[in-house]
Amino acid sequence: QVQLQESGPGLVKPSETLSLTCAVSGYSISSGYFWGWVRQPPGKGLEWIGHIYHDWTTYYSPSLKSRLTMSVDTSENHFSLKLTSVTAADTAVYYCGRVRGGNFNDAFDIWGQGTMVTVSS
Amino acid sequence: SFELTQPPSVSVAPGETATITCGGNNIGSKSVKWSQQKPGQAPVLVIYYDSERPSGIPERFSGSNSGNTATLTISRVEAGDEADYYCQVWDSSSAHYVFGPGTKVTVL
Repeated sequence: QVQLQESGPGLVKPSETLSLTCAVSGYSISSGYFWGWVRQPPGKGLEWIGHIYHDWTTYYSPSLKSRLTMSVDTSENHFSLKLTSVTAADTAVYYCGRVRGGNFNDAFDIWGQGTMVTVSS
Repeated sequence: SFELTQPPSVSVAPGETATITCGGNNIGSKSVKWSQQKPGQAPVLVIYYDSERPSGIPERFSGSNSGNTATLTISRVEAGDEADYYCQVWDSSSAHYVFGPGTKVTVL
């Protein structure tokens, strides 16, 4: 059974870098599938952040691309995101997920439980 | 960029049918996914490839897609179906994933 678990600081200061990791269990990242991040500001809808493959192929949201870096660590079987120069607008629940089917354009079928990140001084 | 539209809310009585629409320019040419999200929980995929159900999703959930509108239909609605529902597509022209704004389904 594939499971995902997000981890990282719950509080980040404005202008600093938000760093999150998604640990994958029950499946080896290097075996395939795209993996991704989605966020949800309090009381609002879902927003796509980006996708990554084990060969480091990435697709990023155009609105975040200038501040976003996603990476994968096959030895630790996790993938990560870094978002620089954060503001209060980056406050959200951040979810990691698996993209089904091995295709970048398929659906998120397995999700982590989500982690709340607040940007505040 | 590609935009999706959804009604903010849909209300339905138990046992009746809920219909949730997702509008987009020629969305019929894209593969639509639908996810259900209950308060405080992660989303759950209920439909992919326009009308396919993942394992474990009841047959009461069905989907269709044609022209400028995709539709999620929930038959014989139950109290447990009360949730937010999001349609999604991959926009190949811009190479990014798009979520609709979400529809809150209320079971009366």
